[in-house]
Amino acid sequence: SQKIEQNSEALNIQEGKTATLTCNYTNYSPAYLQWYRQDPGRGPVFLLLIRENEKEKRKERLKVTFDTTLKQSLFHITASQPADSATYLCAPTDAGNMLTFGGGTRLMVKP
Amino acid sequence: DAMVIQNPRYQVTQFGKPVTLSCSQTLNHNVMYWYQQKSSQAPKLLFHYYDKDFNNEADTPDNFQSRRPNTSFCFLDIRSPGLGDAAMYLCATSRDPGAVEQYFGPGTRLTVT
Repeated sequence: SQKIEQNSEALNIQEGKTATLTCNYTNYSPAYLQWYRQDPGRGPVFLLLIRENEKEKRKERLKVTFDTTLKQSLFHITASQPADSATYLCAPTDAGNMLTFGGGTRLMVKP
Repeated sequence: DAMVIQNPRYQVTQFGKPVTLSCSQTLNHNVMYWYQQKSSQAPKLLFHYYDKDFNNEADTPDNFQSRRPNTSFCFLDIRSPGLGDAAMYLCATSRDPGAVEQYFGPGTRLTVT
């Protein structure tokens, strides 16, 4: 069955460092992959979408890579700030199918 | 300039007492979704509407129903809530069906006593 894995342990980093979050998937070939941010008690907010034919995508301090051979996406936040502290959800998705989220990784950026 | 609005933000109901959660959107999107999210878990899709066409996920319990009277509004009805239905319920919209960018509301936290 399809499986999405994100590190369930919180990632703690120091302000100013680069945070790197990992999303691994098995048993399907997503046409694209999305990353969302979720703050406690709030709904997810869309951040970035990367398609299967794209290796890398950037938006301000965010960078996403998509390796269809490794079945993995990496999500980077450079020059991290305490305001970046949140849970980050990945959603690798087959074309035309509904959104399926990974369990998310909680990021804590300490001043 | 709220785009996806959910009311109420917190709802308490009794075991077995029907409850309705509401969602409205100002984006004029064709698709509206309902997700259930339990603590420290991923949001799980319950069903979605593409215009008036209702699409239920295979593993969504019959206890959960939905109505979409018009483009802007969508309701989640839980006919007989059990303790296991306590969760955050998230409404989302998208322009097109499938898994393109979705806009989520703030959620309704449901407590079952």
